[in-house]
Amino acid sequence: GAGVSQTPSNKVTEKGKYVELRCDPISGHTALYWYRQSLGQGPEFLIYFQGTGAADDSGLPNDRFFAVRPEGSVSTLKIQRTERGDSAVYLCASSLKVSDTQYFGPGTRLTVL
Amino acid sequence: EDKVVQSPLSLVVHEGDTVTLNCSYEVTNFRSLLWYKQEKKAPTFLFMLTSSGIEKKSGRLSSILDKKELFSILNITATQTGDSAIYLCAPARNTDKLIFGTGTRLQVFP
Repeated sequence: GAGVSQTPSNKVTEKGKYVELRCDPISGHTALYWYRQSLGQGPEFLIYFQGTGAADDSGLPNDRFFAVRPEGSVSTLKIQRTERGDSAVYLCASSLKVSDTQYFGPGTRLTVL
Repeated sequence: EDKVVQSPLSLVVHEGDTVTLNCSYEVTNFRSLLWYKQEKKAPTFLFMLTSSGIEKKSGRLSSILDKKELFSILNITATQTGDSAIYLCAPARNTDKLIFGTGTRLQVFP
């Protein structure tokens, strides 16, 4: 596709449920990043992948959050036992290689009731 | 601890005005600084700055970086209503992590 795509665009879930958020990077981009943006704040880094491996996962808030990129393209962010504080917009970005410009997708708005 | 401060937090202007948005930073292992425009959800890339004192321009927008004083500015001349958005400053570390400020909300009225 032309840009980074993310699905779903909106997700409403109940506290305690499991959710998966998907990111399709720009074709050929080797680096993929996840950020989380709360209302009124700038995006906060969660994790990034170089190829299939997580190069830096220091931004994941706790062990309920996990992300994978098994074939070096699509990535899934998984959140277990969701809490109301997880409500935010989850943004994905990709770059041709590490140190190149990061291009963002439209985000997934997660609401935990 | 890494720190990015953008000012002003909010700005209201009329079409045709010129605005200057500020970004100061303290980031370890600094590599470059990026500016993004965010209208709804997706931040849209504007500029990447890696060298001090070299202005980058794109139409009515321009930006410059001062690595000694640790700040960057984004200028928009002859503002239009379509410039209304949140402008985000994001220094990047060598590790490639972007550290975002809270942004400047610009509103341009006709």
